[in-house]
Amino acid sequence: QSALTQPASVSGSPGQSITISCTGTSSDVGSYDLVSWYQQHPGKAPKLMIYEVSKRPSGVSNRFSGSKSGNTASLTISGLQTEDEADYYCCSYAGSRTVVFGGGTKLTVL
Amino acid sequence: EVQLVESGGGLVQPGGSLRLSCAASGFTFSSYSMSWVRQAPGKGLEWLSYISRSSSTIYYADSVEGRFTISRDNAKNSLYLQMNSLRDDDTAVYYCARDETSWGSYRYWGQGALVTVSP
Repeated sequence: QSALTQPASVSGSPGQSITISCTGTSSDVGSYDLVSWYQQHPGKAPKLMIYEVSKRPSGVSNRFSGSKSGNTASLTISGLQTEDEADYYCCSYAGSRTVVFGGGTKLTVL
Repeated sequence: EVQLVESGGGLVQPGGSLRLSCAASGFTFSSYSMSWVRQAPGKGLEWLSYISRSSSTIYYADSVEGRFTISRDNAKNSLYLQMNSLRDDDTAVYYCARDETSWGSYRYWGQGALVTVSP
């Protein structure tokens, strides 16, 4: 149950687009279309932004999109806004009825 | 409105025990599987345990297997996490979360309960 690998930090300017990667293995990300993404503001509970690789829950802006290629999943945020500044975590089913999260990426909106 | 409210956190000595509760409201609790996820101070999220709707299926992360026990009482709309043999590295905010239709998808979370393991 090793954590998925994410960059520690990414940054972008308002209006720009950024992409956060999430690298796993053939036992988790690569084997299942069960990758989700969470946004977490300081002191708050995580918020589900993307599930099943690319699906958005109702109420989540369409500026957020997800994709996957091989063992790497990606979250793209377009039209960056200041309120997007937060920590982002990927999550994947890892087989044997277990779930693994990524280490998290701090997004700074400059 | 869906609400999950954790309670039972606090300060405990290494080797001690603590029981967390999660009170659910705003949805039919017995229709959903539930999970516990924790976050150590300044660290990332860590999935801990899963329990099915009827408690017939339970899974644990290796890090807590044999020390933590998940349970639920559908009549009381409550989820529990019994934590034994606590260690320093169990210090974290513990969240309960409602499982959606696919693994790893948690749309609703509690506000978290802080557990501090310290002499």
